[in-house]
Amino acid sequence: RKEVEQDPGPFNVPEGATVAFNCTYSNSASQSFFWYRQDCRKEPKLLMSVYSSGNEDGRFTAQLNRASQYISLLIRDSKLSDSATYLCAVNLNTGFQKLVFGTGTRLLVSP
Amino acid sequence: GAVVSQHPSWVICKSGTSVKIECRSLDFQATTMFWYRQFPKQSLMLMATSNEGSKATYEQGVEKDKFLINHASLTLSTLTVTSAHPEDSSFYICSANPGLYTEAFFGQGTRLTVV
Repeated sequence: RKEVEQDPGPFNVPEGATVAFNCTYSNSASQSFFWYRQDCRKEPKLLMSVYSSGNEDGRFTAQLNRASQYISLLIRDSKLSDSATYLCAVNLNTGFQKLVFGTGTRLLVSP
Repeated sequence: GAVVSQHPSWVICKSGTSVKIECRSLDFQATTMFWYRQFPKQSLMLMATSNEGSKATYEQGVEKDKFLINHASLTLSTLTVTSAHPEDSSFYICSANPGLYTEAFFGQGTRLTVV
């Protein structure tokens, strides 16, 4: 079983739609969780950290479920510019960010 | 935010030659940096942890003699792909943190093509 698993997609949605991604992780000792956005042929950029209490940043909401070992990302009112690959990442409690990434979920937002 | 610069952005080399990729933290010191590799349509895979002043720590399955890492200063880590082969063609990315438990910042990545 992979350490971090995601549905690769692609998710094809129209503008304005709400879309949700899930990501599961296998190591229960994992301490930190993140969602990154990666555009084609570019480096990943941090979208959000994920906390147990859940957190929201504008149209983006992230949730963590430790019992079931998954994290989620919800995007409301999708924009064309949201088209990208969304990577979840897990840190096994090392002070420095030694991250294990999922394969990424590709999102395509169409007009 | 903090800046991590990677150079070159892309490189084409012949089989059998070596290629050096640099990763610099521009506005902070980084005792630890990470090197990742990403093949098309796949995830970033951690290759090694680069430690300033000591040997790098390699992930399982990564050949330390093929991927030489040097972290001689607090702002620079280098990855040298030795005796490159076409199967080494990939996107190589480094990351570093300004401090413990802080966000990881990534370099722009290096696209290596071995012909």
